[in-house]
Amino acid sequence: DAGVTQSPTHLIKTRGQQVTLRCSPKSGHDTVSWYQQALGQGPQFIFQYYEEEERQRGNFPDRFSGHQFPNYSSELNVNALLLGDSALYLCASSAGTTNLLYNEQFFGPGTRLTVL
Amino acid sequence: AQTVTQSQPEMSVQEAETVTLSCTYDTSENNYYLFWYKQPPSRQMILVIRQEAYKQQNATENRFSVNFQKAAKSFSLKISDSQLGDTAMYFCAFTTSISNFGNEKLTFGTGTRLTIIP
Repeated sequence: DAGVTQSPTHLIKTRGQQVTLRCSPKSGHDTVSWYQQALGQGPQFIFQYYEEEERQRGNFPDRFSGHQFPNYSSELNVNALLLGDSALYLCASSAGTTNLLYNEQFFGPGTRLTVL
Repeated sequence: AQTVTQSQPEMSVQEAETVTLSCTYDTSENNYYLFWYKQPPSRQMILVIRQEAYKQQNATENRFSVNFQKAAKSFSLKISDSQLGDTAMYFCAFTTSISNFGNEKLTFGTGTRLTIIP
């Protein structure tokens, strides 16, 4: 089992550009969540996708958008990049269709985005 | 809104000793889950231990145990017989179980950088 994978590992962009980050969930998982982790901070929830729909959203501007594909993989898009968007972007997957009250989220290694 | 506070930015301890990391949280919910995650330099966030709020018994996973004080909204992590591989950032996290979906968002604290000294 490959676990949660993310690409690319590192990315450097300039202000105003657009970026797309990718995530493949753990085998058997159908729910993908994205988090932003600024340097020295804890991760902040961006949004979550289930059944190709955005199910929950955190306090992030519309410049942050996403997509989930039929194979459950997901993309995070950020438009009009700002210096403050520099961060580690983490993807987490979980099984959305169980009878459990909580389904553990498994994290990927993240994508380090630097905006110059 | 739920908040999670970790008041110890950094801690260090000698190998084989015991260390306790502190966490407090604030919520108006009655049913929720608390977690400790470990993030080593490899950046991969790894679940260390989980506590369900409705359980009075403190969770234990091998050398890791928690002290869950629901009334005080306190959730500390104790690492016994610390090992060099325990060196990492440790994050306290919280989620509610207000829906039947079971995948509510995680709210994290700011983390504690733990260094195990040989």
